[in-house]
Amino acid sequence: EAQVTQNPRYLITVTGKKLTVTCSQNMNHEYMSWYRQDPGLGLRQIYYSMNVEVTDKGDVPEGYKVSRKEKRNFPLILESPSPNQTSLYFCASSTRETHSYNEQFFGPGTRLTVL
Amino acid sequence: QQQVKQSPQSLIVQKGGISIINCAYENTAFDYFPWYQQFPGKGPALLIAIRPDVSEKKEGRFTISFNKSAKQFSLHIMDSQPGDSATYFCAPGEGQRQGAQKLVFGQGTRLTINP
Repeated sequence: EAQVTQNPRYLITVTGKKLTVTCSQNMNHEYMSWYRQDPGLGLRQIYYSMNVEVTDKGDVPEGYKVSRKEKRNFPLILESPSPNQTSLYFCASSTRETHSYNEQFFGPGTRLTVL
Repeated sequence: QQQVKQSPQSLIVQKGGISIINCAYENTAFDYFPWYQQFPGKGPALLIAIRPDVSEKKEGRFTISFNKSAKQFSLHIMDSQPGDSATYFCAPGEGQRQGAQKLVFGQGTRLTINP
């Protein structure tokens, strides 16, 4: 089954304790992206990657890191989480065909609480 | 900056009625106009999308209407059903230029269909 998986689905942590949220897709997609969803703000892009070893900042990158060492994986790293990073996080992937409209496929989400 | 404005924030419709959600955007470079549907506990999923060369697209009970001069597009759900109860996001983006489009999500509309 074609899908985007995220782990963990739920995480409660404390301020300053480094954490990683994993994202993996089995569709051989070039493009991957991380979003955070907050009430009244919709989804905002954190980081995206056009291909292996190519990453770039989205609209709200402060406090986050990413890496893209393999095509299928795109982990989100919070080196020193703070309470304002409490949110619902989504990973998404899509093909990257030029002059095309590429549907983004979303994972099930990770609900993060930072105390 | 608020590039995309979605309204209303919440909507209650009786079963069988018409649900209408609106999206206004500022960026004239947008050339891809999708609506995403999100059920509780799930990631968003593409519902329907339109390109700017047509003014309307219909898929079953779902219709997108696009007004390029007004920089607005809307989602119409005919014969609304309880199973349509979900949060809906408009997410315009630039597809032609970049291929893997950067989507800008609206704030979301929580739709409730009363039986």
